[in-house]
Amino acid sequence: QVRLVEAGGRVVQPGGSLKLSCSTSGFNFRNHGMLWVRQAPGKGLEWVASIGYDGSDIYYAGAVNERFTISRDNSKNTLFLQMSSLRMEDTAVFYCARHEFNGLDVWGRGTTVTVSS
Amino acid sequence: QSALTQPPSVSGSPGQSVTISCTGAISDVGNFDHVSWYQQPPGTAPKLIIYEVSDRPSGVPDRFSGSKSGNTASLTISGLQAEDEADYYCSSYIDRKTWVFGGGTKLTVL
Repeated sequence: QVRLVEAGGRVVQPGGSLKLSCSTSGFNFRNHGMLWVRQAPGKGLEWVASIGYDGSDIYYAGAVNERFTISRDNSKNTLFLQMSSLRMEDTAVFYCARHEFNGLDVWGRGTTVTVSS
Repeated sequence: QSALTQPPSVSGSPGQSVTISCTGAISDVGNFDHVSWYQQPPGTAPKLIIYEVSDRPSGVPDRFSGSKSGNTASLTISGLQAEDEADYYCSSYIDRKTWVFGGGTKLTVL
């Protein structure tokens, strides 16, 4: 059974840092590109960052560029998102998703990041 | 990259058909066939229902269909059922690099 499980979300102050993880199982992680997508409260989906199957081909949305860093550890089947200089507008549920067939075919249940003083 | 444009809401009665549009630009929807659609019932994670404009993952009913004309992609749900009530999002994978989502459409089954 293919599973993605996000972790690491919590309340953090503006300007703070946080690292999210996405543990995967049930498929060959090293064969797939992966993404982070977020959803602010009551809002739509927003692409955050993506990474190729081998850790190359990294891209970021403009709103997070130079503040967030996506990475992966293929030996541990885990995806990461290091977030710094967090702003209130970064408050969201963060989902990791698997890239397949040029769509996102498997999603985790999300982890909640709240940026508040 | 600007978000793709979707109607905020659509509605239909059980058994009817509804179509949700997703309008982009020549730089995204118009130039690439990597359009996908996602269904998100309240309080749940999104689920892929259409990829590559019109392909369905296994397990998705054939009541769901996708198409594209120019800069606009469309999702049609035929034989509407109560369980189809959800938010629907389109997405475009641009030049095999970045992604953009639509603003989402809330489907109400009357």
